[in-house]
Parts: sequence; structure tokens; C-alpha cells
Amino acid sequence: QKEVEQDPGPLSVPEGAIVSLNCTYSNSAFQYFMWYRQYSRKGPELLMYTYSSGNKEDGRFTAQVDKSSKYISLFIRDSQPSDSATYLCAMSLNTGNQFYFGTGTSLTVIP
Amino acid sequence: GAGVSQSPRYKVTKRGQDVALRCDPISGHVSLYWYRQALGQGPEFLTYFNYEAQQDKSGLPNDRFSAERPEGSISTLTIQRTEQRDSAMYRCASSPLAGGRHTQYFGPGTRLTVL
Repeated sequence: QKEVEQDPGPLSVPEGAIVSLNCTYSNSAFQYFMWYRQYSRKGPELLMYTYSSGNKEDGRFTAQVDKSSKYISLFIRDSQPSDSATYLCAMSLNTGNQFYFGTGTSLTVIP
Repeated sequence: GAGVSQSPRYKVTKRGQDVALRCDPISGHVSLYWYRQALGQGPEFLTYFNYEAQQDKSGLPNDRFSAERPEGSISTLTIQRTEQRDSAMYRCASSPLAGGRHTQYFGPGTRLTVL
């Protein structure tokens, strides 16, 4: 079993829709949770960063962490064509530097 | 400011050759990471450095892979006697501080193809 599971999609939504992206994980020791966006032929860029459980909002993006269920989510409101990319979840332990990534979910927002 | 840069961006080599991939992190960043990313997959950890010290190399697949960061800045990932299964995107990331709670900034990657 992989440390982090993520549905690869692809996911296709109309412009303006609310998008929900999710990851599950197996290691209860993970403390830090990140969402990266990766455009085609580019490196991943950090979108959201959350410590432990709870919600965090940044503009149209909301990250949720439910440690009891080992489940994290990223919501995108009023999705735009420019949001079309692959979204990767990542997580790390309290100690050490290794990030564990999901496989990424490919999202297309149709104008 | 300048982000993480990697060179070459593309490398095609024949099986059995050695290759050296370079990473130039963001200036002043303490930590440097190497990942391998297969098509349709997330980055897979290989190794990381704090300053010039290699802290964890548990992700290196075998002893053909090695990395160094002699002056705590630029890093080189070397693959000896390349095999076709080594073909992948190799990504470097850097972080301003040490520790998994700190964000990592990724470079554009080096696409390695072993024929």
C-alpha cells in the first residue's frame, strides 16, 4: 500500500464549478500537508500548506485536513480555465525532510 | 528572484553511460532535495542535503546513484552505468530552512532518456 493515495482522474469541469480534490494516507504520524499545482512541462509549485487538522483558506482555494480519517481535501471555488493543471498532495512528518507525494489529479476546466 | 534551476533540461544517453545532473538551488536555501518523477506519478524522494551534509539517502534506488553538494549550494546527482529503467524526470527542490515543516520549491527538472 502506498503512503499516499490520490485519484489520478482525469477530472473535467465547466468554468465556475466547485472542484474537490482528495487524498488519503496511511501514516498517522504525518503532520504537514501541502497541495502543489503542476502545469504541463513545469515543476510543482506550492499552493497551500497546512499543519495538523483543520481548514485553511486562500482566495478561491480551501484546504481541509481530517487527521482522524487520514483524509485531506482541496476545494477550488469559481474554477477558471487557468486552473487546468495536475494537483499533487504531499505530506511530511514532524521530523525529517522527506515529502510523500500523491500521484496527482489531472484537472481540466472547460471555458 | 531566480528560482531553482536544473541542467541539462533534457539528456539522452546510451545504456551503460554515466550521467551527471546539476541543480542550482535558490540562493541561501539551506536544504536541497532530489526527486524522481515518472510520467503520471508524483515525485518520489531520492535524497536530501542540509548545507553540504547528505542527511538521508534512503530513496536512492541502488549504489549506481549518488549525490553531492560539496559547498552547500550546487548539487550534482550522478547515475553510473545507466539502465533504461532510469529514464524519468529528475527534479530538484530547495527549502530555506531545514525540516519537513518547511516548503520546498521545485526546479523545472531534467528529462533523462536512456536508450
